[in-house]
Amino acid sequence: EVQLLESGGGLVQRGGSLRLSCAASGFTFSNYAMSWVRQAPGKGLEWVSSITDRGGSTYYADSVKGRFTISRDNSKNTLYLQMNSLRAEDTAVYYCVKEEGRPVGWGQGTLVTVSS
Amino acid sequence: EIVMTQSPATLSVSPGERATLSCRASQSVRSNLAWYQQKAGQAPRLLIYGASTRATGIPARFSGSGSGTEFTLTISSLQSEDFAVYYCQQYNNWPLYTFGQGTKLEIK
Repeated sequence: EVQLLESGGGLVQRGGSLRLSCAASGFTFSNYAMSWVRQAPGKGLEWVSSITDRGGSTYYADSVKGRFTISRDNSKNTLYLQMNSLRAEDTAVYYCVKEEGRPVGWGQGTLVTVSS
Repeated sequence: EIVMTQSPATLSVSPGERATLSCRASQSVRSNLAWYQQKAGQAPRLLIYGASTRATGIPARFSGSGSGTEFTLTISSLQSEDFAVYYCQQYNNWPLYTFGQGTKLEIK
């Protein structure tokens, strides 16, 4: 069974940094691209960033480009999202997503709150 | 960016009745369209992918149709557990996929 367990969320001040982690199990992590998708309180879903299976290519939404960095450690079956220069509008639940040309598995999410 | 527009924003339907939700893409996404159900405090649950293929474990009362720019999710006979928010998502230009703004399905 695919399991994706996010961690690292919390309360951070505007301009601060946070690193999210996603521990994957139940599948061969190194064979799959992965993504982060977020959802602001009471709002819809927004794709944030993706990384290919070996980590060779990364992609970012314009709203986070230059501030967020996605990475992975296939030896640890873990996905990361380094978030810098955080803004109030980055407040959201961040979901870790397994990809297969489309999302095929979601974690339960971790809440990031940026205080102003 | 491909913009996904869902209608209506809120749909009020009685249990046992049929619900029809719409999703329109700003340009063709072929059949690269998924539907999700989301309940409060939970992650999205995949219902439909490829515009019309039910995901594993999804009841037959959920069906999807359409291609190109116009898509529909139909729930044939609403059960109490079906009242939730529904999102469409295009993945035609992965990974730059986009979601609709959601349709809230509420009890009439």
